[in-house]
Amino acid sequence: AQRVTQPEKLLSVFKGAPVELKCNYSYSGSPELFWYVQYSRQRLQLLLRHISRESIKGFTADLNKGETSFHLKKPFAQEEDSAMYYCALKTGANNLFFGTGTRLTVIP
Amino acid sequence: GAGVSQSPSNKVTEKGKDVELRCDPISGHTALYWYRQSLGQGLEFLIYFQGNSAPDKSGLPSDRFSAERTGGSVSTLTIQRTQQEDSAVYLCASSLAARGGSETQYFGPGTRLLVL
Repeated sequence: AQRVTQPEKLLSVFKGAPVELKCNYSYSGSPELFWYVQYSRQRLQLLLRHISRESIKGFTADLNKGETSFHLKKPFAQEEDSAMYYCALKTGANNLFFGTGTRLTVIP
Repeated sequence: GAGVSQSPSNKVTEKGKDVELRCDPISGHTALYWYRQSLGQGLEFLIYFQGNSAPDKSGLPSDRFSAERTGGSVSTLTIQRTQQEDSAVYLCASSLAARGGSETQYFGPGTRLLVL
């Protein structure tokens, strides 16, 4: 069965500090992984996906199949990064399995 | 353009009553999804519609939950005989999915359901 684990419910960092939001997955097939973000009073939206190997708003995430991880990283956190972050796994169909989310707070 | 819309935005109901939640996907999106966001539980997949194919109902928590998608567009999620544990935010998303594709899912604002 598939599973997405985000071990930290809450994460606080100071502005300018590096940030890493952890995500581990369990899936027997070939995984596709995503990070979604929900800013205060806004809709859930896609931040990035591993197949694109892109950097969005300074965030990157590398799929590590050996460690079954897809951690989200940013070298210098900004106040506007404060939000709820969800790691998601797409299985054979197009539906997504989400982790429980990590609330990131960037302290000015 | 217009995004995914959901109605009502908030719904308060009494335990045992039926509720209907509506989702209007982005025009042209063939795939539609329902998720439930419970406090401390993250996002839980409920059901997935893709074109005219039979829906994937594997995430529905009980037979009190059902969903329809009429004309390949608007979808209604129905919860019968609501229970307090049904209280959550119900999110709808749509995408330009093809089976096996990786199309981005666009989420609506959600319906916040409170069962008293």
